[in-house]
Amino acid sequence: SQQGEEDPQALSIQEGENATMNCSYKTSINNLQWYRQNSGRGLVHLILIRSNEREKHSGRLRVTLDTSKKSSSLLITASRAADTASYFCATVRGGYQKVTFGIGTKLQVIP
Amino acid sequence: EAQVTQNPRYLITVTGKKLTVTCSQNMNHEYMSWYRQDPGLGLRQIYYSMNVEVTDKGDVPEGYKVSRKEKRNFPLILESPSPNQTSLYFCATHRYIAWGDAEWDYGYTFGSGTRLTVV
Repeated sequence: SQQGEEDPQALSIQEGENATMNCSYKTSINNLQWYRQNSGRGLVHLILIRSNEREKHSGRLRVTLDTSKKSSSLLITASRAADTASYFCATVRGGYQKVTFGIGTKLQVIP
Repeated sequence: EAQVTQNPRYLITVTGKKLTVTCSQNMNHEYMSWYRQDPGLGLRQIYYSMNVEVTDKGDVPEGYKVSRKEKRNFPLILESPSPNQTSLYFCATHRYIAWGDAEWDYGYTFGSGTRLTVV
């Protein structure tokens, strides 16, 4: 069964706006990761947040983690058309081999 | 350049004809894994390998085999493909991190994918 579930499943915004995607999960985790996938291509790792962290930044990305609510959010600020892609959260529990991906949020940024 | 190479990129085959999808990495990573991606289901793990000659089932192993005879290669074998194995397949790798390693801050490295159609 899928550990992470992203919300919304699809999001369409104008270039320059911020995009927020959420991920909920069910069991305790070691860390949570966000990946990006351009259509039909391999996933690319964006950012990782550990279970003892609450917020992390990387460029225009901001990730938060609330372990009490078992949820995470990914914020992309000042979006660009090139940010159009699907975004997946992945939860890691136990060893690093126990990585479970969500279904993804499809983001469209309109120029 | 660090990379994970999958071949072929596209494959159309007929039911029952054995096929192999290859995965090769040049990063000396211990851990390798296969996923399939289907609409509405996300990525599901098929098999993974923690090192040479060490493999284990993921969430959806039925109908698949793997082998890890060398560190760099992790082929996915479909002995008798069926139409329900039509999917987009990804190989992913990760270097070994000891349990409890506080410095683990790496994500997975994915191949470009193999789109398989079984008719």
